[in-house]
Amino acid sequence: KAGVTQTPRYLIKTRGQQVTLSCSPISGHRSVSWYQQTPGQGLQFLFEYFSETQRNKGNFPGRFSGRQFSNSRSEMNVSTLELGDSALYLCASSLIQGLGYTFGSGTRLTVV
Amino acid sequence: AQSVTQLGSHVSVSEGALVLLRCNYSSSVPPYLFWYVQYPNQGLQLLLKYTTGATLVKGINGFEAEFKKSETSFHLTKPSAHMSDAAEYFCAVSESTGTASKLTFGTGTRLQVTL
Repeated sequence: KAGVTQTPRYLIKTRGQQVTLSCSPISGHRSVSWYQQTPGQGLQFLFEYFSETQRNKGNFPGRFSGRQFSNSRSEMNVSTLELGDSALYLCASSLIQGLGYTFGSGTRLTVV
Repeated sequence: AQSVTQLGSHVSVSEGALVLLRCNYSSSVPPYLFWYVQYPNQGLQLLLKYTTGATLVKGINGFEAEFKKSETSFHLTKPSAHMSDAAEYFCAVSESTGTASKLTFGTGTRLQVTL
């Protein structure tokens, strides 16, 4: 079966711009989570969505937002980009919340 | 809040030698524990997980881990390292409260395998 698909794989943006990242979960998985990975802070939890509802949110500023659609696909948006937002953004889907997370290959965002 | 500590940010072993990557966790409830591997420019791949039941968990690529509640540990081992095992390894604990859940990761251990 197809895995978790994240698009685009690479992205370069300028400070102050906004960006939208997309994640298609494994078919049948209704839980989608997002994580930010940086060399300095490691892997940090951004949000979790289940059945189009945000169930959990990490400690990130309001510039970071997300949503989930009725087909379980999810998007995350970062507005007013800062240099420090440069990171690998990983999406994970799960059939049951809390168990068996499958990760996508990530979107590498570079802010210049 | 739950937390994960991985001892040793870098571990180097010879090909054919035992691999031991250490992970300790803190949790106020029975934990669900995971080991993931990350190769360069890729996402995270699940190696194995502990939820309930048998405390010795076998995963992919010959890896296994043992859940020791008394030591709050979940160390990852492989009897014989292969060059292809060189990667970064992350231990994680799943934190679920009601309808919300998330993974809390350790800082990772980079495994180097030498000839």
